[in-house]
Amino acid sequence: KAGVTQTPRYLIKTRGQQVTLSCSPISGHRSVSWYQQTPGQGLQFLFEYFSETQRNKGNFPGRFSGRQFSNSRSEMNVSTLELGDSALYLCASSSGLAGTYNEQFFGPGTRLTVL
Amino acid sequence: AQSVTQLGSHVSVSEGALVLLRCNYSSSVPPYLFWYVQYPNQGLQLLLKYTSAATLVKGINGFEAEFKKSETSFHLTKPSAHMSDAAEYFCAVSSNNAGNMLTFGGGTRLMVKP
Repeated sequence: KAGVTQTPRYLIKTRGQQVTLSCSPISGHRSVSWYQQTPGQGLQFLFEYFSETQRNKGNFPGRFSGRQFSNSRSEMNVSTLELGDSALYLCASSSGLAGTYNEQFFGPGTRLTVL
Repeated sequence: AQSVTQLGSHVSVSEGALVLLRCNYSSSVPPYLFWYVQYPNQGLQLLLKYTSAATLVKGINGFEAEFKKSETSFHLTKPSAHMSDAAEYFCAVSSNNAGNMLTFGGGTRLMVKP
């Protein structure tokens, strides 16, 4: 079974631009979560999508948004990029069943650099 | 809100020595607890997890962790370090019982000296 894939792996943007990152979960998984990893703030939860709906949300500004498609693939978008958005963005997929533990499997991440 | 504290951002051990990485959490209810490992330019790999079963949890690559509710701790150990263990390790707690909203500690970079 193929693992979680993220595209692109590396991205360079300039301040003020917007960016879209993509995550394809493990086949059969319906939940995709996104995390931001920076040297200063560490790993922080952004949001989780399940069955095309945002189910949980972390404490990030509205510039960070996401969506999920019917095939469970997810995209996250960051608008009006700031230097502080430079980070490794990780996505994780799981079966997403509520009320029970679901192991999350992480992708390799997309490294975004904002100049 | 839950929080996770990892004591020591860098830990250095000699090959063959005991590895001890410390993690303390704050939570009002017994949580799910995890240890993840991250190698350079890679995502996170689950080492082990505590989900309210046995308090001593065995994971991959010879790692284990003990859940101590009275101390709110979940320290990671390995009896004998190997060069391939050099990586960054993250302790995490789940914010819900589905395990899909993780709060991470700051991470501990483990260095293994030959």
